[in-house]
Amino acid sequence: QQQVKQSPQSLIVQKGGISIINCAYENTAFDYFPWYQQFPGKGPALLIAIRPDVSEKKEGRFTISFNKSAKQFSLHIMDSQPGDSATYFCAASIRGEKLTFGTGTRLTIIP
Amino acid sequence: EPEVTQTPSHQVTQMGQEVILRCVPISNHLYFYWYRQILGQKVEFLVSFYNNEISEKSEIFDDQFSVERPDGSNFTLKIRSTKLEDSAMYFCASWLMSANTGELFFGEGSRLTVL
Repeated sequence: QQQVKQSPQSLIVQKGGISIINCAYENTAFDYFPWYQQFPGKGPALLIAIRPDVSEKKEGRFTISFNKSAKQFSLHIMDSQPGDSATYFCAASIRGEKLTFGTGTRLTIIP
Repeated sequence: EPEVTQTPSHQVTQMGQEVILRCVPISNHLYFYWYRQILGQKVEFLVSFYNNEISEKSEIFDDQFSVERPDGSNFTLKIRSTKLEDSAMYFCASWLMSANTGELFFGEGSRLTVL
């Protein structure tokens, strides 16, 4: 019940396109859903996060869509750029601590 | 910008040896964590630490592991007798616990290679 399932495992998107990564969870006690971006050799860095009282949050080119009834949330990267190439992890937690991570999506943006 | 710093960046050790990984969390943070990432896999929670004691630990965090905050700044993870399967990136994280954000700040990690 603590699992967070993430898909796809890898994603290739053309520059300027939209990258979409999906996650699903089971534990309805989760109340904080962040996305982390990780570059090779670096630690995960918070990209954007959402709480279940809203259905969407947008920060620049990054948008989280949240569907509480379906227990799913997704990351949309608009106008994807080569610099967005990284591994993206969704996560979930209760009150923001002890993150449970998804399995990660390796995103590659091609010119 | 405040950051979590970790040392060493890479450590190679022989199986059975003790290893200590060190972390300096962000100074006003109150919660500290260790996570592990085996190469190519997801980031896994190991242990959380608050008020000078372990608040939660995962199944991975067995008797071979211990954490300590020996002074006001450092937070250490000790692996008493390393096994081959302990080879991974170990990330320290810290958290202020604010009503406005749940952001965990991660360090850049310590790569442990057990031979």
